[in-house]
Amino acid sequence: GENVEQHPSTLSVQEGDSAVIKCTYSDSASNYFPWYKQELGKGPQLIIDIRSNVGEKKDQRIAVTLNKTAKHFSLHITETQPEDSAVYFCAARFNNAGNMLTFGGGTRLMVKP
Amino acid sequence: GAGVSQSPSNKVTEKGKDVELRCDPISGHTALYWYRQSLGQGLEFLIYFQGNSAPDKSGLPSDRFSAERTGGSVSTLTIQRTQQEDSAVYLCASSVLGTGATGELFFGEGSRLTVL
Repeated sequence: GENVEQHPSTLSVQEGDSAVIKCTYSDSASNYFPWYKQELGKGPQLIIDIRSNVGEKKDQRIAVTLNKTAKHFSLHITETQPEDSAVYFCAARFNNAGNMLTFGGGTRLMVKP
Repeated sequence: GAGVSQSPSNKVTEKGKDVELRCDPISGHTALYWYRQSLGQGLEFLIYFQGNSAPDKSGLPSDRFSAERTGGSVSTLTIQRTQQEDSAVYLCASSVLGTGATGELFFGEGSRLTVL
């Protein structure tokens, strides 16, 4: 079935450094790839997304890149801050799944001050 | 405006008991989703309601799990004869569908279920 793999599962960086989280997906017809941030005790919240007709998208310190040929996409956070510490989930919407998203396993990002 | 509301926020129950978890989606959102998040794990899809269409139940792990959505709004997830492996955070999300909609899922804060 449809699958989304996410790496690494945990990531520790120093404040000010960059963080990169990578995901791969199985269905080449997937067309929508969002990233969600989950803070402790909260529900996940959308931070950025990218559609299959775009290769890169930026929003201030965060960016997402998509390689359709290789079926992988990545989240890049620059100049990390302690408040970036959270669990990040990638997701993909598969072509035959309506609006249902399949999520990766999550990455716990820790930014050390 | 109000976000997605879930209740209870915490539920502790004994093995074998039935539990009901409630989700109030954002007003006007036609799609509603239930996901399960086990400790330190990702989000596991359970069930998806879209408007008046038949729900997509393909993620329900067993016939002990069921969900309904009344009047296209509030949804209840029911777990019968709970087992310890049912312990998790149950997340509900809603979204707007249709032309021009982004498809963003808005999540509630979840219901943490502990089965003793």
